[in-house]
Amino acid sequence: EVQLLESGGGLVQPGGSLRLSCAASGFTFSSYAMSWVRQAPGKGLEWVSAISGSGGSTYYADSVKGRFTISRDNSKNTLYLQMNSLRAEDTAVYYCAKDHHLIAPSAFDIWGQGTMVTVSS
Amino acid sequence: DIQMTQSPSSLSASVGDRVTITCQASQDISNYLNWYQQKPGKAPKLLIYDASNLETGVPSRFSGSGSGTDFTFTISSLQPEDIATYYCQQYDNLPRTFGPGTKVDIK
Repeated sequence: EVQLLESGGGLVQPGGSLRLSCAASGFTFSSYAMSWVRQAPGKGLEWVSAISGSGGSTYYADSVKGRFTISRDNSKNTLYLQMNSLRAEDTAVYYCAKDHHLIAPSAFDIWGQGTMVTVSS
Repeated sequence: DIQMTQSPSSLSASVGDRVTITCQASQDISNYLNWYQQKPGKAPKLLIYDASNLETGVPSRFSGSGSGTDFTFTISSLQPEDIATYYCQQYDNLPRTFGPGTKVDIK
């Protein structure tokens, strides 16, 4: 069964850091780009970041550029999102999502269950 | 950034009704448009990709059409399990952007 399982969310103070992980199973992980998409409470979907199958290309939304870093370990079938300098507006459920394609984010065909990140003092 | 708009923002319809949602892009995105369904408390689910292609396993009552800046998503016969919020998403340019969503419920 194709599955994505996020972990690492929690409560963090403004200015703090958090690392999210997403464990993949049931497909050839290195053959697909992966993304992080977030959803603030009661709001819509916001694409955050993506990484190509090899890890050689990364993409970011302006709202997180310079603060968040996406990476992947294809030997462990795991996607990461390192989040630094967190702000209240980063509070959201963070989903990892598998892409249809290898290189750049296109259609997100498999989603994890999401992990909640709350930035508050 | 490419702005995506959807209309209506919400709708109520009866079981068996035909439901149509429109999505408009702020610039030409060819057919680089996807549709997702999100039920409360759940992750989104891809229904339609490349404007009109049905994702594997998705019921045929769902369909999509359009190209350029104007797109349409249709449920041919609304079912109780279709209660959800529907989002369009473009992938012509970075950053990838979603529409604000259309909430569908049963009248």
